[in-house]
Amino acid sequence: EDKVVQSPLSLVVHEGDTVTLNCSYEVTNFRSLLWYKQEKKAPTFLFMLTSSGIEKKSGRLSSILDKKELFSILNITATQTGDSAIYLCAPCWAGSYQLTFGKGTKLSVIP
Amino acid sequence: ETGVTQTPRHLVMGMTNKKSLKCEQHLGHNAMYWYKQSAKKPLELMFVYNFKEQTENNSVPSRFSPECPNSSHLFLHLHTLQPEDSALYLCASSQELLAGGGELFFGEGSRLTVL
Repeated sequence: EDKVVQSPLSLVVHEGDTVTLNCSYEVTNFRSLLWYKQEKKAPTFLFMLTSSGIEKKSGRLSSILDKKELFSILNITATQTGDSAIYLCAPCWAGSYQLTFGKGTKLSVIP
Repeated sequence: ETGVTQTPRHLVMGMTNKKSLKCEQHLGHNAMYWYKQSAKKPLELMFVYNFKEQTENNSVPSRFSPECPNSSHLFLHLHTLQPEDSALYLCASSQELLAGGGELFFGEGSRLTVL
């Protein structure tokens, strides 16, 4: 049974659209949740969230965490073709040495 | 350039071969990790090293043998693999162990195909 569920699994949008990617998780002793972008091979870090309700923002990307409802969303506004990638969500449990990754959301942005 | 370099980028091997994957990090980090990424499956943690000491082995078959001679280098020795072991193997590092929930820095990965 998956502990981290990302939705949708894939998404195709046109340039300029706004998208919302979802990540829900089961947890004991939650510590943080990280978002990564994987374009070709190496996932690259986007955000780390530890507190509920505090939005993290970087350019057109933003993310927020709801620790009560156990989910996080990643928003991308005014999408560009360069946003095409797999977006990975990874909660981290306190005292754990590992991130538990979801299967990812594959985003395709077409011109 | 992520600061984590993996070689080779692509590897094709038969089931009886012995090969090794290499990872080097130039970030001065203390912890290094091997992850496996198979099609349509989440990234799976295989091994964790902290200050070159293995701290976690996630029930990985013995045909995968890690080696960490120092905090900057990590190897994954491969022997008598199966076709289902074909995957992208990603190396990652972090400043400290992820007990604090910190950021991982990934390499570009080694794409392994077992015939």
